[in-house]
Amino acid sequence: DAGVTQSPTHLIKTRGQHVTLRCSPISGHKSVSWYQQVLGQGPQFIFQYYEKEERGRGNFPDRFSARQFPNYSSELNVNALLLGDSALYLCASSLRLAGGTYVEQYFGPGTRLTVT
Amino acid sequence: DQQVKQNSPSLSVQEGRISILNCDYTNSMFDYFLWYKKYPAEGPTFLISISSIKDKNEDGRFTVFLNKSAKHLSLHIVPSQPGDSAVYFCAAYTGTASKLTFGTGTRLQVTL
Repeated sequence: DAGVTQSPTHLIKTRGQHVTLRCSPISGHKSVSWYQQVLGQGPQFIFQYYEKEERGRGNFPDRFSARQFPNYSSELNVNALLLGDSALYLCASSLRLAGGTYVEQYFGPGTRLTVT
Repeated sequence: DQQVKQNSPSLSVQEGRISILNCDYTNSMFDYFLWYKKYPAEGPTFLISISSIKDKNEDGRFTVFLNKSAKHLSLHIVPSQPGDSAVYFCAAYTGTASKLTFGTGTRLQVTL
């Protein structure tokens, strides 16, 4: 079975531009989460989606938005890009939404975004 | 506020010896603790987890220990192998927020 896939692998954008990153979860997985990993830091939680609804949001500005489609794939959108948005953006999928019990998340290889 | 901390950015261990990676946390509400391994150009890969109600979990060469009174957990790898060379992230899971909080990572190098 294919793992979590993300596209594009790399991209370069200019300050002020908009970017869309895409993620396809593992087949059968209904939950998708997005993380930002800045160089030298651990991944930081941005969003979690389950059954096309936002179920969690990290401490990120409104320039960041996301959505999940009926096939459970997801897009992360970032508007008005800043230099500080340069990072590796990771997508993770899981079978279902976890509650009190942890449900394992499987990560994709990430999209490396460079803002110049 | 860094709720999950890995104070050692790097660790070098000889092949066959034990690798011990450490992690401290501040939030006593975490429900699960996890270790992820990351190679360059790949996403993090889940290694092992432990519930907050346990103090030890073992899976093959990997053992995680949790000391709740000290808010400290550690990952032991025995014996260490060259293929274990990677960045290891400690992460904590909160059921109420349904999210993972990661530490900054420790780069492990296993030498021959």
